[in-house]
Amino acid sequence: EDQVTQSPEALRLQEGESSSLNCSYTVSGLRGLFWYRQDPGKGPEFLFTLYSAGEEKEKERLKATLTKKESFLHITAPKPEDSATYLCAVQSFQAGGTSYGKLTFGQGTILTVHP
Amino acid sequence: DGGITQSPKYLFRKEGQNVTLSCEQNLNHDAMYWYRQDPGQGLRLIYYSQIVNDFQKGDIAEGYSVSREKKESFPLTVTSAQKNPTAFYLCASSTRQGGFNYGYTFGSGTRLTVV
Repeated sequence: EDQVTQSPEALRLQEGESSSLNCSYTVSGLRGLFWYRQDPGKGPEFLFTLYSAGEEKEKERLKATLTKKESFLHITAPKPEDSATYLCAVQSFQAGGTSYGKLTFGQGTILTVHP
Repeated sequence: DGGITQSPKYLFRKEGQNVTLSCEQNLNHDAMYWYRQDPGQGLRLIYYSQIVNDFQKGDIAEGYSVSREKKESFPLTVTSAQKNPTAFYLCASSTRQGGFNYGYTFGSGTRLTVV
């Protein structure tokens, strides 16, 4: 059974104070790891997909990295508008090398950036 | 613009009543999903469908039912058998090629409250 654990549960930063969010995962075979941003009362918004250890992707102040056991979402010089819940999810392989398509999510990290 | 439309945004259910949540997509995606989100918890999979007229139970299917008669539509019925239905419900879709799913997109959610 796929498992995803995110830490910390909540993170408070001052504007400009860089930090990282962690996503640890356990899967039989990783097809892809996804990062989403979710604002209160809205659906998750896609940020990144990572497929193999060592892969990195960047978007504005965000950078996602992947190892064989975990992924980090690095936030550089955050602004108040970066405040949101950040969700991590995994997609695993099924027998035969394809995937079921479903994502397994962590519980999320609530990020608050103060001006 | 292509996307996923969930309705209604807010829904109130009386004890013993069945209610249906609507999800429509115009992305021409093959797969559709229903997730439930509770405070402090990640998204949990209720049902998913890879193709029309076929669907599978997710991790928390008890008390819910779905249908997939059209590619564009995947309604979720919350039955009276679901004892704790108050939650935020999210619909998602993805395209499927070569045995893998891509382009996960979420709707804006329906907040269901039992009164």
